[in-house]
Amino acid sequence: DTVLTQSPALAVSPGERVSISCRASEGVNSYMHWYQQKPGQQPKLLIYKASNLASGVPARFSGSGSGTDFTLTIDPVEADDTATYFCQQSWNDPFTFGSGTKLEIK
Amino acid sequence: QVSLKESGPGILQPFQTLSLTCSFSGFSLGTSNMGVGWIRQTSGKGLEYLATIWWDDDKYFNPSLNSRLTVSKDTSNNQAFLKITSVDTADTGTYYCTQVPGCNSFDYWGQGVMVTVSS
Repeated sequence: DTVLTQSPALAVSPGERVSISCRASEGVNSYMHWYQQKPGQQPKLLIYKASNLASGVPARFSGSGSGTDFTLTIDPVEADDTATYFCQQSWNDPFTFGSGTKLEIK
Repeated sequence: QVSLKESGPGILQPFQTLSLTCSFSGFSLGTSNMGVGWIRQTSGKGLEYLATIWWDDDKYFNPSLNSRLTVSKDTSNNQAFLKITSVDTADTGTYYCTQVPGCNSFDYWGQGVMVTVSS
């Protein structure tokens, strides 16, 4: 299976820029997607196919990357962005998720 | 707008069969390149992809669970179904159904249903 590696946690202050990384154990072309999950809620799609903003998602969120290295950027960060962020690939069988990066807003 | 909701038994015993229903609105499984996917979130494995059923009745399963999974749909009533046979405690978690477009992202998620396997 394709393993997606994310750093466990980050802490930033409101108004700053934050980059959350996801590294795949093998190439996934551009088929990397990003989700936000707040406590007690279901995940929400933010970015699909590496860099495409999902419907209704603020332009503060952006995605980049291809192959094995991908980044989700939030700029500027707001207090409401406190959540866990997951990456997911749909290029290799089976589809897999990263373990998530917990973002704390100081 | 798109909405999905899962329903299921809540608690079941080891070796039983888990049956879940996904009732959705705002899209149709009669539409080309549309699918409903199933994902679970467990304390042991985090988010884990299970299966997708497509508009044309094609099905795709996670190979690690393939032999235990069944997916089906009722297009006219906007429902999809998941069955997992011979459950054990490792199947305890929250199960989600999702809308799946052609690129296999999971665009909209239901609120999830908690399933506990316990004797």
